[in-house]
Amino acid sequence: LAKTTQPISMDSYEGQEVNITCSHNNIATNDYITWYQQFPSQGPRFIIQGYKTKVTNEVASLFIPADRKSSTLSLPRVSLSDTAVYYCLVGDSRNTGGFKTIFGAGTRLFVKA
Amino acid sequence: DAGVTQSPTHLIKTRGQQVTLRCSPKSGHDTVSWYQQALGQGPQFIFQYYEEEERQRGNFPDRFSGHQFPNYSSELNVNALLLGDSALYLCASKVKALAGSSEQYFGPGTRLTVT
Repeated sequence: LAKTTQPISMDSYEGQEVNITCSHNNIATNDYITWYQQFPSQGPRFIIQGYKTKVTNEVASLFIPADRKSSTLSLPRVSLSDTAVYYCLVGDSRNTGGFKTIFGAGTRLFVKA
Repeated sequence: DAGVTQSPTHLIKTRGQQVTLRCSPKSGHDTVSWYQQALGQGPQFIFQYYEEEERQRGNFPDRFSGHQFPNYSSELNVNALLLGDSALYLCASKVKALAGSSEQYFGPGTRLTVT
């Protein structure tokens, strides 16, 4: 199973860009990289997913270098409501008949006014 | 379009009892996974169901069992409850087709308290 490593916590201020980097040295060829956001007492919410290079949607960008051993989630101009835990996952496609989704400890982002 | 729904939202049980949690996947989704999330930790994978069969299982004892119905909804059963089973139980659904993808949609969870 591909394991991910990300910072335990980060602080930022409103209006700043936040970049959260995740390491996944053992990522498999067919694995995608996915980021989730979770607020207290709620289920995680899908943010963005990518395979290589750069992916952008209305809330975030995901940068993936050519070797795919790491990825960076970029949140432009964060607000107080972006205070949450952010999880980086890689999809484990190597088990036939299905696959597990393994969450790490996540990165606790705290946005200050 | 309804998202993933779970019931009940909260539940209080006594040690040794049994509990059943329910999940309805997002419309169009056929794969359901269950997670346990203790306070301050990331979700821990329990198992995944597809085509009414358990396809993958995490490191959980046999006290944790599940079922998927023909309409893709699912149940999580926990027998002989322990205090350590107190947690937020999350259900997530996805479409199986995309190999390697971790994109899932989560429900709001069921908060289980064991006393």
